[in-house]
Amino acid sequence: EPEVTQTPSHQVTQMGQEVILRCVPISNHLYFYWYRQILGQKVEFLVSFYNNEISEKSEIFDDQFSVERPDGSNFTLKIRSTKLEDSAMYFCASSETTATNEKLFFGSGTQLSVL
Amino acid sequence: DAKTTQPNSMESNEEEPVHLPCNHSTISGTDYIHWYRQLPSQGPEYVIHGLTSNVNNRMASLAIAEDRKSSTLILHRATLRDAAVYYCILRGYDRGSTLGRLYFGRGTQLTVWP
Repeated sequence: EPEVTQTPSHQVTQMGQEVILRCVPISNHLYFYWYRQILGQKVEFLVSFYNNEISEKSEIFDDQFSVERPDGSNFTLKIRSTKLEDSAMYFCASSETTATNEKLFFGSGTQLSVL
Repeated sequence: DAKTTQPNSMESNEEEPVHLPCNHSTISGTDYIHWYRQLPSQGPEYVIHGLTSNVNNRMASLAIAEDRKSSTLILHRATLRDAAVYYCILRGYDRGSTLGRLYFGRGTQLTVWP
């Protein structure tokens, strides 16, 4: 079965540094998402992306965050100046459509640790 | 924020059936019921979804109550690999869950004993 791949699996950074998390969505999918999960907490929606634009974002997704599809295969999440509270597992997901009977495919995540 | 209620945890023995319940009393007529699971250190994984009728796939079965206010995910023969957190999620256009936004609750932690 096709899968969403994320790199790196672990990222350690110093507070205030920029990080870029990378994802390769499933090739024929048009909708892309980032979610995150702080240790011991719920999986939370960050942002959805379609046609090179943000479709929807949550209150978590502030000006420190940005997303980009730099080429035909990659989808990235950039955190401009990391904070301690950005430490979390970040999941990329993709789907063919946004129909309510559509399923999302998630990657295995990038564990971000901000020191 | 679509509201579902699930038990915090359940246990099963290997090769026994598991019935994971979910209550969604405020479900609307167009809401789909989705189930995802999250294995340890993995991303969520789609399991099954349904609208009104019971559904079967290779992973599980979904039994939906006639009034749709509850549903049950059925794993017919639990394996050790099924140990995960199972999430019951409603998706509907009037719940703000358009554009792929899923609202995850705490889910049910399933423990499978050998």
